[in-house]
Amino acid sequence: GAGVSQSPSNKVTEKGKDVELRCDPISGHTALYWYRQRLGQGLEFLIYFQGNSAPDKSGLPSDRFSAERTGESVSTLTIQRTQQEDSAVYLCATEPRGSNQPQHFGDGTRLSIL
Amino acid sequence: GDSVTQMEGPVTLSEEAFLTINCTYTATGYPSLFWYVQYPGEGLQLLLKATKADDKGSNKGFEATYRKETTSFHLEKGSVQVSDSAVYFCALSTSNTGKLIFGQGTTLQVKP
Repeated sequence: GAGVSQSPSNKVTEKGKDVELRCDPISGHTALYWYRQRLGQGLEFLIYFQGNSAPDKSGLPSDRFSAERTGESVSTLTIQRTQQEDSAVYLCATEPRGSNQPQHFGDGTRLSIL
Repeated sequence: GDSVTQMEGPVTLSEEAFLTINCTYTATGYPSLFWYVQYPGEGLQLLLKATKADDKGSNKGFEATYRKETTSFHLEKGSVQVSDSAVYFCALSTSNTGKLIFGQGTTLQVKP
């Protein structure tokens, strides 16, 4: 389809392992966001990419979290040395260039840390 | 900092009942306001939005009016259907990056 694609859809891993989550944006969408949704809570902003500009990393909760994106292509969110509190649904959203454009969300990756 | 507060759920209504889900916000500047909906088993999708004071966003029979004086953006629908059962999120955006700040979500369950 033409939507935002995230993989894997589910990930179960042991505490202390590293995980990498992937987001394929809608073609032509220059802006890309990562959010985290803990159980029963709203979404928390993590990081924002816009083209080749420096990313806004102000929402990353610790230095164990990092994200990459080259140009307007795929983005990966990496969590190192995972902790149980990292368990959440990680959502990616993209939007086309221009103001007041709605963000299009992927279905998310459900991450469970044992 | 900027924040959004929604009424706690779950909200349980009978079909054809009137719905209000309260949302208030705190923000510097002039935010854009949004309602997103997450149907069971589906991704988050935009329901409606308003970008300036007194604007009314509407979609699928839902409405919300941007009230600057009360810093509110309450979601309303005159007659809910079973198919409206979902989690509803109020959100705002103030920065030129477009990042969204969400409320905690309100679960709506509509019974036949």
